[in-house]
Amino acid sequence: GENVEQHPSTLSVQEGDSAVIKCTYSDSASNYFPWYKQELGKGPQLIIDIRSNVGEKKDQRIAVTLNKTAKHFSLHITETQPEDSAVYFCAASFTGNQFYFGTGTSLTVIP
Amino acid sequence: NAGVTQTPKFQVLKTGQSMTLQCAQDMNHNSMYWYRQDPGMGLRLIYYSASEGTTDKGEVPNGYNVSRLNKREFSLRLESAAPSQTSVYFCASTREFYEQYFGPGTRLTVT
Repeated sequence: GENVEQHPSTLSVQEGDSAVIKCTYSDSASNYFPWYKQELGKGPQLIIDIRSNVGEKKDQRIAVTLNKTAKHFSLHITETQPEDSAVYFCAASFTGNQFYFGTGTSLTVIP
Repeated sequence: NAGVTQTPKFQVLKTGQSMTLQCAQDMNHNSMYWYRQDPGMGLRLIYYSASEGTTDKGEVPNGYNVSRLNKREFSLRLESAAPSQTSVYFCASTREFYEQYFGPGTRLTVT
């Protein structure tokens, strides 16, 4: 099956700086790549996603890039704020029904 | 519109006891999922149901059974709980290639 690796496992940034989280996947058939944010004590929530026919997608301070050749995709958060502190998960899917998740990145934004 | 609901929120079991985790969604989604979340291991798929009346094993199905009772409800049963099943369990639902909506989670401890 698919194998998704995520780095780093923890990340601390100063408020206002940018944060980058990277994921690699193993199955070239994967074609849907969502990113989730999980706040303490809550379930994950989708923040942005990208499909394999697109190289980059932006939504305000959040962007995702996809390199299909290298089989990696990244989450970029600019102008970080304390409320961005959470655990972030990447995932990959090639069926649209089954999703494979990375192991998560704990982001801390220091005021 | 409640989204995805899970019961109970917390549960403590003794080894060998059985229990059923309940999940319901009101978004008319076809697909539903059960994941477990353990520290440092991300979200791992236990079982999923692509449509009413069908269920399939995920990455870690041993020790669990599921029932897709109808389009709204998808339950997870532990027949004989073991300490290794101590985890946080999340139910999710989705339309194919669309956002996965997660429930708030069930925190299960097996002593």
